[in-house]
Amino acid sequence: EDQVTQSPEALRLQEGESSSLNCSYTVSGLRGLFWYRQDPGKGPEFLFTLYSAGEEKEKERLKATLTKKESFLHITAPKPEDSATYLCAVQVEGSSNTGKLIFGQGTTLQVKP
Amino acid sequence: DAGVIQSPRHEVTEMGQEVTLRCKPISGHNSLFWYRQTMMRGLELLIYFNNNVPIDDSGMPEDRFSAKMPNASFSTLKIQPSEPRDSAVYFCASSRTLTSRNYEQYFGPGTRLTVT
Repeated sequence: EDQVTQSPEALRLQEGESSSLNCSYTVSGLRGLFWYRQDPGKGPEFLFTLYSAGEEKEKERLKATLTKKESFLHITAPKPEDSATYLCAVQVEGSSNTGKLIFGQGTTLQVKP
Repeated sequence: DAGVIQSPRHEVTEMGQEVTLRCKPISGHNSLFWYRQTMMRGLELLIYFNNNVPIDDSGMPEDRFSAKMPNASFSTLKIQPSEPRDSAVYFCASSRTLTSRNYEQYFGPGTRLTVT
C-alpha cells in the first residue's frame, strides 16, 4: 500500500534555529513529490515539486531534497512567519491515478521570536 | 488570476439536510480535485476530474456523496443526507495535467462544514 509518513508531528524552534522536516514514502512508483505549506484556516499553498532522487529546490529560507525513500525540507534561520503546517504529498505512477496525491499528516512548525 | 474559488466558506446545517459545495477552478486548468480534511484523517482525496470527466472516485465515502463537473469552470460536491461525521473542511484544487507529467495542484480556501 502506498504510504507517506511525516516526522516530527510538531516542531518548535527559536528564531534563527535551523532544522529539517522529514517525509518518508513507500510507493509502487514515484511520479513526483510535492511540498505544501498550510496556514490555519487556509488551503495548502504549493511550495516545491521534486521528480527524481538527488533533485533539490530552494525558495527563500526553504530547501527541499529528495532521495529514493524520503524527502527533507530544510529550514535555514527560520522566522516567526515560517510558522505553519508543512505537508508532503506523493504522486504515484499508474495510468488510472495520474492525478492522485497521497498526503502525509503534516508537521506543524512553530517558530518563536 | 483569482485562484480557485469555493463557496460557501462556512456551512452549518442540520443532520439529514442536503449540502452543496461549489468550486470554480483556475482558468486553463483541466484537472479538478475534491479533498476532505479532518484532524483524525488528514487530507483525503474524494474524487477527481480530468477534462470534466470523473477519473477516480474511490475516495468518496458512500452513496450520500456525489460530485459533478458540468463544464470546465464549475464543479459541485453534494452530500445528501448529511450526517454529523461529515463535518470537516472540504477543499477543491485544480491543476494542468499532461499525459506525461502532472503539474502541481492549487487549492482553494476551503468550505468548513458543520453538521449538527
